Amino acid sequence: ETGVTQSPTHLIKTRGQQVTLRCSSQSGHNTVSWYQQALGQGPQFIFQYYREEENGRGNFPPRFSGLQFPNYSSELNVNALELDDSALYLCASSSEAGPKRETQYFGPGTRLLVL
Amino acid sequence: SQQGEEDPQALSIQEGENATMNCSYKTSINNLQWYRQNSGRGLVHLILIRSNEREKHSGRLRVTLDTSKKSSSLLITASRAADTASYFCATRPAGGYQKVTFGTGTKLQVIP
Repeated sequence: ETGVTQSPTHLIKTRGQQVTLRCSSQSGHNTVSWYQQALGQGPQFIFQYYREEENGRGNFPPRFSGLQFPNYSSELNVNALELDDSALYLCASSSEAGPKRETQYFGPGTRLLVL
Repeated sequence: SQQGEEDPQALSIQEGENATMNCSYKTSINNLQWYRQNSGRGLVHLILIRSNEREKHSGRLRVTLDTSKKSSSLLITASRAADTASYFCATRPAGGYQKVTFGTGTKLQVIP
């Protein structure tokens, strides 16, 4: 167990809808990253939040947005869903301090299906 | 895009044998990490090796890093059926930018 939780575990949406995925990081971790993993592929970096500010973004359009809250929780929002958004969405928390710095602790993921 | 590529894509071995997976990457890195993923679930961090390190051990795991060849290998010794999973390498680039880039993964099957 990594201490990182995600909700919901599964979700089915239709094209054009909006979705919010949630993540609760390990206590004390001030960094959270979100990844999209298509079937049979490695995770693709969406963006990272550090102390509630976005501080890095991968090759994803603006309809992918996020928030990080002071209580170590975060959200990934996706607007105008497309069929290709169907994937496993993973969040990972980490700390920039201590002996385990830079190690990312992943949640179990949310599997999103867009019909 | 994927920074790293794992080789082989799939590997099937008998329990007790050693498993070796390789990872190649394209740009200068700060560190390289290996993760395990069981059946499309969350990833579990296995080991981190920094760019100034050449070899690291953790239990039955041995990781090597060759920055001149931009490659790393993960060796799992005395494999067990429970090691069956997909294994990914992930690189953090040099220069302070926080983006971590994953490879395409090696699917390991350990036959009891």
